[in-house]
Amino acid sequence: EVQLVQSGAEVKKPGESLRISCKGSGYSFTSYWISWVRQMPGKGLEWMGRIDPSDSYTNYSPSFQGHVTISADKSISTAYLQWSSLKASDTAMYYCARHRRPYDYWGQGTLVTVSS
Amino acid sequence: EIVLTQSPGTLSLSPGERATLSCRASQSVSSSYLAWYQQKPGQAPRLLIYGASSRATGIPDRFSGSGSGTDFTLTISRLEPEDFAVYYCQQYGSSPPNTFGQGTKLEIK
Repeated sequence: EVQLVQSGAEVKKPGESLRISCKGSGYSFTSYWISWVRQMPGKGLEWMGRIDPSDSYTNYSPSFQGHVTISADKSISTAYLQWSSLKASDTAMYYCARHRRPYDYWGQGTLVTVSS
Repeated sequence: EIVLTQSPGTLSLSPGERATLSCRASQSVSSSYLAWYQQKPGQAPRLLIYGASSRATGIPDRFSGSGSGTDFTLTISRLEPEDFAVYYCQQYGSSPPNTFGQGTKLEIK
């Protein structure tokens, strides 16, 4: 069974750093891209960027370039999304999803709350 | 960047009725790399339709997709109570970003 299991909810202060994770199982992790998608409270889906776990090649949305970093460790079938300095506006649900073309499996989401 | 515009923003219908949701792209979507997703409150999105018209595994045949180029449609032939949710279109062509539309909320009338 294909699964993407994300790390648990986080509560952070502005300026703090954070890394959340997405662990794939039940399939060849290096055969599919992993993308990250943001959903702010009560809002729609926003594509942030993607990574090819086979070689860690990444693409970012211009809206997120420079503010987040996407990485992966193929030895443990895990992709990461990290921030070096969080802002209150980063408060959102973050989903990972695997894809070659359409996004056929999604993680359960990680809620990140940034508040002083 | 391809911008996807969904209409209407909210659609109010009753169970048993037919729903027609629209997604318009700012430029042609290559090879019909257009998908539709369903999202219910507190859940991750679920893939319904890919390649503009192919149903994903396990999706009932009351869901159908059509269109090409810049105009795409998701049709739900007879609404079931579990179909009331938010629906998103997405283009996933080879060049990122893989943008989403802003969503259509399908609510019970």
